[in-house]
Amino acid sequence: DGGITQSPKYLFRKEGQNVTLSCEQNLNHDAMYWYRQDPGQGLRLIYYSQIVNDFQKGDIAEGYSVSREKKESFPLTVTSAQKNPTAFYLCASRPRESSYEQYFGPGTRLTVT
Amino acid sequence: AQSVAQPEDQVNVAEGNPLTVKCTYSVSGNPYLFWYVQYPNRGLQFLLKYITGDNLVKGSYGFEAEFNKSQTSFHLKKPSALVSDSALYFCAVRETSGGYQKVTFGTGTKLQVIP
Repeated sequence: DGGITQSPKYLFRKEGQNVTLSCEQNLNHDAMYWYRQDPGQGLRLIYYSQIVNDFQKGDIAEGYSVSREKKESFPLTVTSAQKNPTAFYLCASRPRESSYEQYFGPGTRLTVT
Repeated sequence: AQSVAQPEDQVNVAEGNPLTVKCTYSVSGNPYLFWYVQYPNRGLQFLLKYITGDNLVKGSYGFEAEFNKSQTSFHLKKPSALVSDSALYFCAVRETSGGYQKVTFGTGTKLQVIP
């Protein structure tokens, strides 16, 4: 999983609570991404950031927020506004050059009850 | 808008036989195409990519993919399947839009290699 850590591996929360998922990389990559994975739907982009202090909404940003205060860190907050937050969340990073592939973290499985 | 289609939810193949996992794409410009593999409860691992040049791309673990511009396809292949190849495979395409580079993933194909 190449220098990207996500913690914790499993996370349980009660409905109505905000929760923050951690993503840290030591690869010196400029771009970072958050994806949500649900069975049969592939990966859907939540947010991405190409440089520090800048980020863009992806396809399913509603109910989520991010920050990019440091190059190596890109935490994702799942807010109580996210109607169906239970999913597998994947963080990825990539060098600036466009031809490079993404490097993925091991993922965090969030269960909200 | 760019898109990727993986028409098969699951592919079953006998160990030792050749395997193909299909992918077609749609982009407005020149595509950057990728294949990733995912084992249960893990992140995705990069297998190979097509940026430009030779239409046959070789990657990790004996996998290769053929880029076909006229058919807008990028099928993943391996001459002889192993049981350990059983996993979920994702095709992805990258396109630049408004100065930002967005990657779109397919829905994934589960490969089952039967001993």
